[in-house]
Amino acid sequence: QTVVTQEPSFSVSPGGTVTLTCGLSSGSVSSSYYPSWYQQTPGQAPRTLIYNTNTRSSGVPNRFSGSILGNKAALTITGAQADDESDYYCVVYMGSGISVFGGGTKLTVL
Amino acid sequence: EVQLLESGGGLVQPGGSLRLSCAASGFTFSSSVMSWVRQAPGKGLEWVSTFSGASGNTYYADSVKGRFTISRDTSKNTLYLQMNSLRVDDTAVYYCAARPGKWFDPWGQGTLVTVSS
Repeated sequence: QTVVTQEPSFSVSPGGTVTLTCGLSSGSVSSSYYPSWYQQTPGQAPRTLIYNTNTRSSGVPNRFSGSILGNKAALTITGAQADDESDYYCVVYMGSGISVFGGGTKLTVL
Repeated sequence: EVQLLESGGGLVQPGGSLRLSCAASGFTFSSSVMSWVRQAPGKGLEWVSTFSGASGNTYYADSVKGRFTISRDTSKNTLYLQMNSLRVDDTAVYYCAARPGKWFDPWGQGTLVTVSS
C-alpha cells in the first residue's frame, strides 16, 4: 500500500521561505502523479493552493509555488506571512480513480 | 459561483447506516467528477470515494469498500454517500469536492458523522 509522506511539522520566520515536500514510501513523485496542495486552518474546509504540480488555483497569492524537487513534489512559500500558519496537505493521483493524501504538515510562522 | 453543501451527518450507533448528501450548484454537475473526502478528529484528510460523471464509474478507498456506496441524482444536482455497517473509526467530518481534473476543487464545508454507542 502506497504511503504519501510529508514532514509532520515545520517552522518559518515571518518573511522567510519554506519548502514542504511530498514523497512516496516507494518510488518517486513526478508530474505524472498530478500532485496538488491544500491549505487548511482549524475548523475550516481545505483550500486548494496548487494543482498539476505547479498551477496556482484562482486567487492564490504568487508567494505559493509548486514544483518537483528531486524525487518529491514540493510546495514553496516565499515571504511567509502570519496567516500562512496552517496545515498543508498534498495529494497524489495513483491511477484507477485512486487518490492518496499525505499525512499533512503543520506549519508554524514565528 | 460553484457551491457544494453537505448534509445528513449526525450520531449513529456502530453497525448503523447513514446517507450523506452534497447539493451542487454553479457548474455542470451531470458531467462532473465528484469525490468524498473525510477527516477524523485531529487527523489528516483521507480520500473516500469518487464518482466519474461521464462514465458513471465509481471508486472506493479500501477502508470503505463494500460498506459505502457513492451515487448521484442529476435531476437534483446532488451527490450521495450511503454508509452502511458503520464503525467507530468512520467518525469524521465528511467533505464533498468537485474534481475538475486530478485535484479537488472546490470543497464543501463538511458534515460531521459520529459513530458511537
